[in-house]
This record gives sequence, structure tokens and C-alpha cells, in this order.
Amino acid sequence: GAVVSQHPSRVICKSGTSVKIECRSLDFQATTMFWYRQFPKQSLMLMATSNEGSKATYEQGVEKDKFLINHASLTLSTLTVTSAHPEDSSFYICSARDPDRGNTIYFGEGSWLTVV
Amino acid sequence: QKEVEQDPGPLSVPEGAIVSLNCTYSNSAFQYFMWYRQYSRKGPELLMYTYSSGNKEDGRFTAQVDKSSKYISLFIRDSQPSDSATYLCAMSRGGSYIPTFGRGTSLIVHP
Repeated sequence: GAVVSQHPSRVICKSGTSVKIECRSLDFQATTMFWYRQFPKQSLMLMATSNEGSKATYEQGVEKDKFLINHASLTLSTLTVTSAHPEDSSFYICSARDPDRGNTIYFGEGSWLTVV
Repeated sequence: QKEVEQDPGPLSVPEGAIVSLNCTYSNSAFQYFMWYRQYSRKGPELLMYTYSSGNKEDGRFTAQVDKSSKYISLFIRDSQPSDSATYLCAMSRGGSYIPTFGRGTSLIVHP
């Protein structure tokens, strides 16, 4: 089946620094990728929708200057958390839409971010 | 009222039981319905994907969609301890593919 890879799976960074998370679709070209945030025992919270070659569409309440999203190719989207603070610590998950499989959406394995 | 309602559980069943997981929704524009399984500290894994009303079976899993009642179900037959996870329903409109997720139901299958 389709595979979406996310890297790193875990990252610890110091407060004030920036961290980049990569999301790759390994066996299909994803015109659209989505970034989610998930708190413990909570559902997925959509942060932004990323379309290849264009600016990301952010959900209400998500700071676009803090969560920078780049979708430079059909197989790669990146999320950069800038000037991270402890409250940014969370589980970040990307997903990608496969247009050749009925627009099915596949998820990455997720990335645990801890800001200390 | 949320667009998608899902009981968070936990739902605890003995091994071998038939499990029924459900979601209700309010938006009649939803056309695509999905079920994902999420193990702790992992990304969701797609289990079932259906379009419009009807049933779909895949191994021990059966997905049902009743658009007239705005109700979808996932049945798991012969449940196993390895099925213990959170199950998320998701649905999307025909013309827009951003899925709306339920909050997930925690399932515990005990030996």
C-alpha cells in the first residue's frame, strides 16, 4: 500500500530554536498534504493544507509565521516550528492525498516534538 | 453540535467478540467515509474507505454507511488483543477532500 514517511519520529529542541519535520510520499505523487497536531487522548487537529507549488492554507488560530509549511515538490512537504516554546510540544502528523487511489488519504508515522 | 460525533469510550471487550464502532454526522454533503486505526504514539493507519452508502468488507472488518441516517459503523469480527487501539472515523465532501475526523474510540480487547 501507499506509504507516507515522516522524519524525525522524535525530536527534542531547546526553547527558542527552530525544528523542521519532513513528510514524504514514497510511492505516489501527492498534490495535497495536510499537517495535523494531536494532543494526548485528543483527536487530530488540522493545522494547514499544503498544495504543491503554492502557499499553504492555514486553519483559524494557527500562526502561519510560527508554523512554516513548504511543499516544494510532489513528494515532500516540510513543517518548520520556529522559535519553539514548551507549549509547542506535541505530536505532529502529516498526511498525503493520493489522486491515483481515489484521493485516499494516508498518514505518516507522526513526529513527537519536545521543547525544553 | 460537532460535524462528526464519536464516543471516545473506552470500549472493553473479550477476545473473540464482535466489536461495533460508530459515528454520526450532521453534514449531508459528506460522500467519502473512512476508518483509521491508531496505535499509541503512532500515526493513523487507513483501514477502510467507502464511497456513499452501503457495506464494504475486508477480512475481519466490515464498514457500513447509512447516509439516510447519517450514521457509519465499523464491525470487527473475532476481535484480537492486537486490535486494541483508537479507531477514528473520518469523512469528506465530494468536491473538497479535507477530511473531518471524529475524536476516536479507544478499544481494548482483553484476552
